[in-house]
Amino acid sequence: GAGVSQSPSNKVTEKGKDVELRCDPISGHTALYWYRQSLGQGLEFLIYFQGNSAPDKSGLPSDRFSAERTGGSVSTLTIQRTQQEDSAVYLCASSLGTGGEQYFGPGTRLTVT
Amino acid sequence: QKEVEQNSGPLSVPEGAIASLNCTYSDRGSQSFFWYRQYSGKSPELIMSIYSNGDKEDGRFTAQLNKASQYVSLLIRDSQPSDSATYLCAVAWRGAAGNKLTFGGGTRVLVKP
Repeated sequence: GAGVSQSPSNKVTEKGKDVELRCDPISGHTALYWYRQSLGQGLEFLIYFQGNSAPDKSGLPSDRFSAERTGGSVSTLTIQRTQQEDSAVYLCASSLGTGGEQYFGPGTRLTVT
Repeated sequence: QKEVEQNSGPLSVPEGAIASLNCTYSDRGSQSFFWYRQYSGKSPELIMSIYSNGDKEDGRFTAQLNKASQYVSLLIRDSQPSDSATYLCAVAWRGAAGNKLTFGGGTRVLVKP
């Protein structure tokens, strides 16, 4: 079956611009996660959605970052007023439910110039 | 601060040998443990999950968990050049809503023909 999909695969933006990254989870997966992987750095948790519950935003690095999940499926991660330190690969993962195995999408490589 | 530690490597093994990767974690309350493989420029791919003490085998991979020692390992038998990648250990914390993962920094494995 189809895996997690993300778009765009690459995004180059100028400092100060806003960007939107999209994630389409595996069909039937109720949990959706966003992570960030910076060059030479490990994977960093950003935000988590489970069903209709309030999201866990504890990993968001600043208030410039926000995310929403519409209809319990597709999610959008928005970064406002991008900074060079936001350059990273943004990864989305989904799981069947809480405690389940997480499967990653191909990621969006964001470059802020 | 919950931490997951891995030796960064590179771990160099000859083709056909056993590669042994280790991971330690800081929180005794951790319940779920995962190994991901990440090829350069690609997203993490789940290869093993383990939830209880002991060994779990899947093909050429064996995961070993020792909760008392807060230690999880991955063995790759009959290593192949295609196993050359970075292996990420991930831990889910008890009580963490939605099983968000904390990742180790990864161990780079090089399998030499």
